[in-house]
Amino acid sequence: GAGVSQSPSNKVTEKGKDVELRCDPISGHTALYWYRQSLGQGLEFLIYFQGNSAPDKSGLPSDRFSAERTGGSVSTLTIQRTQQEDSAVYLCASSLYSGRGLGDGYTFGSGTRLTVV
Amino acid sequence: AQTVTQSQPEMSVQEAETVTLSCTYDTSESDYYLFWYKQPPSRQMILVIRQEAYKQQNATENRFSVNFQKAAKSFSLKISDSQLGDAAMYFCAYRSKETSGSRLTFGEGTQLTVNP
Repeated sequence: GAGVSQSPSNKVTEKGKDVELRCDPISGHTALYWYRQSLGQGLEFLIYFQGNSAPDKSGLPSDRFSAERTGGSVSTLTIQRTQQEDSAVYLCASSLYSGRGLGDGYTFGSGTRLTVV
Repeated sequence: AQTVTQSQPEMSVQEAETVTLSCTYDTSESDYYLFWYKQPPSRQMILVIRQEAYKQQNATENRFSVNFQKAAKSFSLKISDSQLGDAAMYFCAYRSKETSGSRLTFGEGTQLTVNP
């Protein structure tokens, strides 16, 4: 597609429910990142996918968070047993590749605003 | 680990005037990239300008320019002839050039208001 597409745009869920957030990166972009932006805060790295390599999960805040990327394209971020502190905007970004020396920033989606009530 | 600090949570500027947003960072690496991103209410992060650490010349993109001071680890953004559409949250970000798969590390952001 022309840009990074995220769905849903907004999601309200009850505490304890599971949610799935979707990211459709730019076609051909092999690197995909998830970030979390809490209210009034900067962006916090969550997870990174590069091609068929094992993902870098070092930013996931707890084992309630998981993500997968099927076929090297669409990615789903899953939050199990949601808590109120999970409320945030979840941003996805993709880039052509993430090899050394690449100076491009990412192309970001518009994010999913998650509200846990 | 690298850190990025933006010490100005909020800034305001009159339309048509110039404003400078501050950013400092900490790294032990010698080669890296620095970025300024703009985030309007639509939430989408938009790349404003980028700088490669090995380049001494400051990057410029139309009304946006940076003052990159490598020794001081400072990377400020100057917006000239400010326009109402420049109102947004601005984030400074760092990306390593020395490791593959490197993530962007962001500062806390500066909320810019442009007054008519």
